[in-house]
Formats: sequence, C-alpha cells, structure tokens
Amino acid sequence: EVQLVESGGGLVQPGGSLRLSCAASGFTFSSHWMSWVRQAPGKGLEWVANIKQDGSEKYYVDSVKGRFTISRDNAKNSLYLQMNSLRAEDTAVYFCARSDTPMVLSSSDFWGQGTLVAVSS
Amino acid sequence: DIQMTQSPSSLFASVGDRVTITCQASQDISNYLNWYQQKPGKAPNLLIYDASNLETGVPSRFSGSGSGTHFTFTISSLQPEDIATYYCQQYDNVRLTFGGGTKVEIK
Repeated sequence: EVQLVESGGGLVQPGGSLRLSCAASGFTFSSHWMSWVRQAPGKGLEWVANIKQDGSEKYYVDSVKGRFTISRDNAKNSLYLQMNSLRAEDTAVYFCARSDTPMVLSSSDFWGQGTLVAVSS
Repeated sequence: DIQMTQSPSSLFASVGDRVTITCQASQDISNYLNWYQQKPGKAPNLLIYDASNLETGVPSRFSGSGSGTHFTFTISSLQPEDIATYYCQQYDNVRLTFGGGTKVEIK
C-alpha cells in the first residue's frame, strides 16, 4: 500500500526555519517525481516545488525561490523541504504528493495527510 | 507560468443535478490536465487525469473533456457525497499550476 507521511510542521517565528519530511512506503520511491503542494487556511491549492526521481532537476514557485529547498534521499525513501526566511504568507498545510507514472512528471495520485506550518510572532 | 482559470468559484445544485465546471489554460497544454476533489480537512483526491481518463475506483458519474486551452469537468448526477471543492491542474509545464477551485454545495 502506497503511503506518504509528512512531519516537521509547527509554529515558527517570521524569519525562522523549518524542515519538513515526507516518509514514503509501498512503492519504488527512487522511480517517481515528487512534489510539495501547500494550502493556506481557507484558500486553494498552490504547487510549491517538485523534484525529479534522481534529484537532478528541481523547480520552485517564484514566491519561495531562494528561501525553500526541495531534496530527497532515495536510500531512506524520504522527501524533504527546507524552509528558511519564513514569512506569515507561508502559513499553510503542506502536502507531499507522488507523480504516478515512473520517471515522468504526471498526475499526483497519492498524497500525504499534510503537515501544518504556522508562521507567527 | 501557465495560468489556470476555473469557473464558477462556487455553485449550489440539487441531488441528481448535472454539474459542470470549466477550466481555461493561458496557453495550449494539450491534454495535460487533471481534476482533483478535496473534502474539508483532507488531501486532494485524483479523479480525472489526461483531461478525460477516469482514475481507478472513481465513480463513472464523474467525467472530463477538452484539450488545448478549454476543459470541462462534469458530475452527471450529483450525490450528497460529492460535496467538496474541485480543482483543475496542468502538468504540461513542470511548474505545475492549479485552478482556483470550485466549491460544490447542495441546494
């Protein structure tokens, strides 16, 4: 059974840092693109970043470029999002999601339950 | 980035009604378009991929059509369990983008 479990969310002050993790199981993690998607309270879905199966390509939404870093450890079946210089507008539930077709960026067929990041003083 | 314009932003319909949501892309995305359902407090759930393909296990009352820049999502007969917010998403460009969402409620 495919499972994605996020962790690492919490309350952080503006300007602070947080590292989110997503533990994957039930599939060959090293064969799939992975993404982070966030949802601010009462708002819609916003793609944040994605990473190719081997980590050689990474892409970010403009609003987090230079502040967030997506990475993965295929030996540990884990996806990460290092978030620095956090702002109030980064407050959201962060989901990790799997691209369903191996080796290709495609539909996100499995999602984690989400982890809440709250940026406030 | 490719902009996805979804309409309406909300709608009220009765059980058994046909419900239609549209999504317009700012440029040609071929058929690289997904539709997701999201219920409150839950992760999104993939319903339709490649514009018109039904994900395994999804009821046949859900359907999608379109290509290029104009796409349509339809619920043929609205059920109480379909109350949710629906999102389109393009993946023609690696920088993924979502539509603003359509909240479907019962009249």
